[in-house]
Amino acid sequence: AQSVTQPDIHITVSEGASLELRCNYSYGATPYLFWYVQSPGQGLQLLLKYFSGDTLVQGIKGFEAEFKRSQSSFNLRKPSVHWSDAAEYFCAVLAGGTSYGKLTFGQGTILTVHP
Amino acid sequence: EPEVTQTPSHQVTQMGQEVILRCVPISNHLYFYWYRQILGQKVEFLVSFYNNEISEKSEIFDDRFSVERPDGSNFTLKIRSTKLEDSAMYFCASRWDTSQETQYFGPGTRLLVL
Repeated sequence: AQSVTQPDIHITVSEGASLELRCNYSYGATPYLFWYVQSPGQGLQLLLKYFSGDTLVQGIKGFEAEFKRSQSSFNLRKPSVHWSDAAEYFCAVLAGGTSYGKLTFGQGTILTVHP
Repeated sequence: EPEVTQTPSHQVTQMGQEVILRCVPISNHLYFYWYRQILGQKVEFLVSFYNNEISEKSEIFDDRFSVERPDGSNFTLKIRSTKLEDSAMYFCASRWDTSQETQYFGPGTRLLVL
């Protein structure tokens, strides 16, 4: 069965600093990978996704993520964090070949941004 | 931009009661899902629904849980005989078809069982 690990439960950065949120997955075949963000009182918003092709994917709000098969990782990055990026971030994997599309989520990483 | 909506945003109920959580998926989407997140824990898959029937369910989705698409727009999750451990945030999601793997999530319903 697939699984996702987000090693960092809580990360604090200063506004303007760079950011990297870690995600490791376990899945036997090529996974479909997602990053979602949840702001307080909001639903899960899709930041970006990887299905195939270029291993560096661009998303909304200036985020990018890189798929590294050798490390089973899909880390999320942003070069300069804004205060509005404070939220909880979830990495998720979708088992390929499953038409009905069950997502498996990581624990989530809470991002705090200091002014 | 179309979005998934959920009502109510918060629900408080007594243990043993029945609750119905409602969702309006994005129109023309074909696949529907419920997930839940117990406070401090992972978002967990509950059930997927396609073509008016359950396509997959997790071990959490026991016989107290049921889903229904009573009309062309609503998708409901019913929990009978609620337990304290049902307290969680419940998310609805929808997806267009198998060529579009992205699931779009609603804002969630916070359920508290007392």
